[in-house]
Amino acid sequence: DVKVTQSSRYLVKRTGEKVFLECVQDMDHENMFWYRQDPGLGLRLIYFSYDVKMKEKGDIPEGYSVSREKKERFSLILESASTNQTSMYLCASRLPITGSNEQFFGPGTRLTVL
Amino acid sequence: AQSVTQLGSHVSVSEGALVLLRCNYSSSVPPYLFWYVQYPNQGLQLLLKYTSAATLVKGINGFEAEFKKSETSFHLTKPSAHMSDAAEYFCAVSETSGGYQKVTFGTGTKLQVIP
Repeated sequence: DVKVTQSSRYLVKRTGEKVFLECVQDMDHENMFWYRQDPGLGLRLIYFSYDVKMKEKGDIPEGYSVSREKKERFSLILESASTNQTSMYLCASRLPITGSNEQFFGPGTRLTVL
Repeated sequence: AQSVTQLGSHVSVSEGALVLLRCNYSSSVPPYLFWYVQYPNQGLQLLLKYTSAATLVKGINGFEAEFKKSETSFHLTKPSAHMSDAAEYFCAVSETSGGYQKVTFGTGTKLQVIP
C-alpha cells in the first residue's frame, strides 16, 4: 500500500520560530509537492521538486523554503513563522511520466502559529 | 493559463438522493482532469481521473464524471448519496506548463448528506 507520511498531525509554534515540516514517501516517486489548504481557497502550491536536489517555486513561495536531499524526503521550512502561516499543510508525491498520473497525499499537518 | 471553477462551496443532499458536484475548467490544451475526496482530518485521495480514453469515467464508491469538451465541464455524480459520502471534494486539472506538469485545484465543495 502506497504511503506518504508527514512528521506531525498537529503543531503549535510561536511567531518568529523556525519550523520544519517533514514528508516521506515510500513509492520511489520523483515528484513531490507542498501545498497549503485554507477554507475557501482550496489547495495552493508552495513549492515542488521534480527530483532530488531540485526545487521549483509554486504559486505562494514567500516565507517558505524547501529541501530535498533524498528522493523519499521533502522538507518544508518556515524560516520565521508568522501568524498568517497558520494553515493545513499537505504533502504529495507523484510519478512524473505523464500528466495523467495522480498525486498521493499525506494526512496533513495542521500548523498554528501564535 | 489553466484554471478550475467549482460552483457551490457547500452542497446538501438527502440520503439516497442524486449527488451532483460541478466543475468547469479552462485549459489551452486537452487536459487531464481529476476528482479528489478529503474526509475530515485526512489528506486527499483520488476518486477518478480523465485521461482522454473515455468521456465517462467511473471511480470508487459509485462516483462517476463525464468530460464534456463543448461545455469545458467535468461534473461529478453519484446516483444515491450515502452518509459516508460526507466530505470535501476537489476538482483538479493538470497540463504541461514551462516543461512541468502543473496541477491546479479548485476551491473545493463540501458535501453534506442529510439523513
